[in-house]
Amino acid sequence: RKEVEQDPGPFNVPEGATVAFNCTYSNSASQSFFWYRQDCRKEPKLLMSVYSSGNEDGRFTAQLNRASQYISLLIRDSKLSDSATYLCVEQRRVRGGTSYGKLTFGQGTILTVHP
Amino acid sequence: AAGVIQSPRHLIKEKRETATLKCYPIPRHDTVYWYQQGPGQDPQFLISFYEKMQSDKGSIPDRFSAQQFSDYHSELNMSSLELGDSALYFCASSLVGVRGNEQFFGPGTRLTVL
Repeated sequence: RKEVEQDPGPFNVPEGATVAFNCTYSNSASQSFFWYRQDCRKEPKLLMSVYSSGNEDGRFTAQLNRASQYISLLIRDSKLSDSATYLCVEQRRVRGGTSYGKLTFGQGTILTVHP
Repeated sequence: AAGVIQSPRHLIKEKRETATLKCYPIPRHDTVYWYQQGPGQDPQFLISFYEKMQSDKGSIPDRFSAQQFSDYHSELNMSSLELGDSALYFCASSLVGVRGNEQFFGPGTRLTVL
């Protein structure tokens, strides 16, 4: 079982739609969470960090539920340019260290926004 | 704003050859991470360095080695290349303690082993 599981998708939505992605993680030691987007054959780009209190950045809202080990991303008023793969990512501290460690990625959810 | 720089962007090698990938982190970032992304796969962590010391290690083959230099740039050395090493190799950098250690990725090096 993967440490980070995402909705398999793909999601195919019209412009202006609201779409939600869900993600679960298995390790309760996970400390930080992020959503990245990745366009075909390009690098992952940080979309937003996810905080326990929830956070919003324009049309994007992220939520974290530590009790359920569940993370979500809501995209409102979808644009054609939102078409990409969305990666749910968790991070833990380096064992025995003070620095943060590797990112562990979910398998990604493909979003296509059509006219 | 300055981003992570990787070179070369594309590399074609024969089996059993060696390759060196370079990464220049965002200025003032103190941590560098290397990831490998195979076709249709999510990125997999290889190795990381904090303040020029190895800080974490993932599923990196023994044929691969890496280091971080005094100017904070990092190099990933790959020897005895195999067909399965063909992948996108990303470098990411971060600054410890800033915004939960957000990592920013470079554009990647696409390695093709023939």
